[in-house]
Parts: sequence; structure tokens; C-alpha cells
Amino acid sequence: DQQVKQNSPSLSVQEGRISILNCDYTNSMFDYFLWYKKYPAEGPTFLISISSIKDKNEDGRFTVFLNKSAKHLSLHIVPSQPGDSAVYFCAATSNFGNEKLTFGTGTRLTIIP
Amino acid sequence: DTGVSQDPRHKITKRGQNVTFRCDPISEHNRLYWYRQTLGQGPEFLTYFQNEAQLEKSRLLSDRFSAERPKGSFSTLEIQRTEQGDSAMYLCASSQGGSAPSYEQYFGPGTRLTVT
Repeated sequence: DQQVKQNSPSLSVQEGRISILNCDYTNSMFDYFLWYKKYPAEGPTFLISISSIKDKNEDGRFTVFLNKSAKHLSLHIVPSQPGDSAVYFCAATSNFGNEKLTFGTGTRLTIIP
Repeated sequence: DTGVSQDPRHKITKRGQNVTFRCDPISEHNRLYWYRQTLGQGPEFLTYFQNEAQLEKSRLLSDRFSAERPKGSFSTLEIQRTEQGDSAMYLCASSQGGSAPSYEQYFGPGTRLTVT
């Protein structure tokens, strides 16, 4: 049972344009959501998070949007840069982040120069 | 602080052998997590500690797996009688926990295990 789903295995975006990565979840107990970026042979690197009491969180070029009624979140990267090419994982947890993370299967983002 | 560290980075072992991995978390973090990642999948939760107490174990953690965090600092993950299906990246993460504004888990570089 995949509680966190990333339905797009890959995404290619032109440098300078906006990258939008999507994530859906099924467990209503999730109340904290995170995005991680992963390069090959490295551990995931934390990017940005959002609590269920918010619908938007912004940090520089990265913005995460949360739609609780649709159980959907998205990560916007603008403008996209070549260094953004990596695998992006969506993760969810409960108890406002004090529990284990449940990850999606990831989306490989390729930024085309 | 240099972040979460894991040792070794790579381990190749023969089926049936025992292996042990070590994780050193960020020093002020009281929570420590172990995850496993296989190709094409996201990390999957194995177990976690708050200080030295092991609070939850996944059903993925068979009786061949054991984890310890004896003094609430570093942790070890041991796999006994390894099988080829144990081949994966083993990731350790730590977090501050509690009621602080930041609950994010910070990951180490992982230990890649190959069982031949």
C-alpha cells in the first residue's frame, strides 16, 4: 500500500523555466510534509517542509503548496538551474514531524541547459 | 557540526556473513532513524530511537536485524546471516524531535551493502 505517491518518474524542464513536482498521499494522519533532493551515491538532502496548518511555504527558489482536501502537494522550483537535476522525494509524517517518514518513489528532474 | 556520518560507505559481503554499520548523528539531535533504500524506491523506514530507547521497529526488520543506540549517541545496525535480498543502501537520519519548530530529519551519506 503506497501511502505517498509520486506518479511522474521523470520530468525534463528547460533551464530558467519553472519545475513543478507533484505528490499525493492517502493517509489522513499525515500532518507534516517534506521534500528531499538526492544525488547518486549520496543520502537525501532536506529541501523544504510544510505543516498541515499551512497551505504554502517558500524558501528562495523553492515553494511547496499543500492542498489538504485533495491530499496533494507540489514543489515549485523557479527559475530551474542545471544544479537542480536530481531525484526528488516527497515524504510525509505524523505528530507534526516526530514520527518516521513515509517516502514516495521519487521523480527524476533533468534541467536542460 | 559536520552532519550525520555513516561508516562504512560501502560493504561487500558473502551470503551468510554478519555485517555491522555505524551511524553518528548530529550531536544535539536526540532522535535517530534507520531507513533502507533499494533501486527505484524511496527510503523505507526500519527503526528509530529517541535517546537510547528504541521506540518503533518496522515489520521489514526481521529477526536477523538488530539496532542499538547504547548511550543515546551513535547507533549500530547489525544484519546476521545476510541474504542477497539485503543488498540495499542503508541510510541513517537524525532529528531534534520534541516541540521545536524544526522536525526535519537529516540524512547521512548511507552505507551501500552488496551481498554476493
